[in-house]
Amino acid sequence: GESVGLHLPTLSVQEGDNSIINCAYSNSASDYFIWYKQESGKGPQFIIDIRSNMDKRQGQRVTVLLNKTVKHLSLQIAATQPGDSAVYFCAEGSGYALNFGKGTSLLVTP
Amino acid sequence: KAGVTQTPRYLIKTRGQQVTLSCSPISGHRSVSWYQQTPGQGLQFLFEYFSETQRNKGNFPGRFSGRQFSNSRSEMNVSTLELGDSALYLCASTELGGGTYEQYFGPGTRLTVT
Repeated sequence: GESVGLHLPTLSVQEGDNSIINCAYSNSASDYFIWYKQESGKGPQFIIDIRSNMDKRQGQRVTVLLNKTVKHLSLQIAATQPGDSAVYFCAEGSGYALNFGKGTSLLVTP
Repeated sequence: KAGVTQTPRYLIKTRGQQVTLSCSPISGHRSVSWYQQTPGQGLQFLFEYFSETQRNKGNFPGRFSGRQFSNSRSEMNVSTLELGDSALYLCASTELGGGTYEQYFGPGTRLTVT
């Protein structure tokens, strides 16, 4: 069936470095993609989204890249901070149903 | 605006019982979605409601049901609880017509089935 998956379950980066979290998807009919951040004990928090007709979108310290040819999505976090430590999920959507990946745990070390 | 609220935050039930969880969306948000989060399966879509109608449904057994009220508040019910139903149940609301599919999540209800 259709699936959204993450390449790495954990990622450790040093404070100040850039982080890249990757995601593979298989549903070519997805309309949009979203990255969420989830901290312990909290619900997922929206980071950034990108429509299927776009290749790149930038936010504050974050950039999402979409490669529809290889069905790959990535989240780049610039100058990673300790507060960025969390689990990051990519999700693909069609209509108002989101299909989430398993998540990548980002650990920022001093 | 107040965020998405979910009640209760924690719940312990016995296998075979039934449970009802409540979600109040952000004021003005008319779409409410429910998700189940477990360590093994991650976040899985349960269903989505808009104007008191279920528009989308995930791949869950009929023991999982929901409804939405005229004020957009939503409830989900799980009957004949199984041990595997232990999970964090998340509710999310969406402002339709805003040009975004951004879903705002509540803190979740942690359900433990013993």
